[in-house]
Amino acid sequence: SQQGEEDPQALSIQEGENATMNCSYKTSINNLQWYRQNSGRGLVHLILIRSNEREKHSGRLRVTLDTSKKSSSLLITASRAADTASYFCATERTDSWGKLQFGAGTQVVVTP
Amino acid sequence: GAVVSQHPSRVICKSGTSVKIECRSLDFQATTMFWYRQFPKQSLMLMATSNEGSKATYEQGVEKDKFLINHASLTLSTLTVTSAHPEDSSFYICRDPGRGGRDTGELFFGEGSRLTVL
Repeated sequence: SQQGEEDPQALSIQEGENATMNCSYKTSINNLQWYRQNSGRGLVHLILIRSNEREKHSGRLRVTLDTSKKSSSLLITASRAADTASYFCATERTDSWGKLQFGAGTQVVVTP
Repeated sequence: GAVVSQHPSRVICKSGTSVKIECRSLDFQATTMFWYRQFPKQSLMLMATSNEGSKATYEQGVEKDKFLINHASLTLSTLTVTSAHPEDSSFYICRDPGRGGRDTGELFFGEGSRLTVL
């Protein structure tokens, strides 16, 4: 079954605006990761947040993790047209080392 | 540069033929590799885990005889789609096991292989 569920499914914003997407999961995890996928391409790792961390930053990305609510958010600040892509959260469960369960993804379109 | 190399990036084949997809770990020795499948506009679904020197572990619902996985060396894992049919058309992506300690840490995916079965 899907471990991660994301919302919104699609997001359309203008350059310069912030984009926020959320991910919820169901079981205990070691970490949660966010990936970007451009159309027809492989996945690019964006950021990993471990279960004992609450917030992490990387450039224009900010990720939060609330293990009590089993949810995470990804914020992209000052978005650019090049940020147009699908974004997936993925969780590594505590009972299955190495395996990642992916969410359905959020398709983000940034218009100039 | 890429740390996981996947080949071919695109393949078109006739129904009934077999297609082999290679996944190479370029900068470290991988005793396991993970294979995913992604249908259009959908998420990635884990198909199987290849294990160097032993049998692959398949996820529930994935046909072992249909998707042959071999991990012949510490740098190469292959996925062979046997007797391919149009419904096997998909995007197949491999992933390395990670180099972290307590957990997998940052992970690297291949660029993916788009299979189209006519």
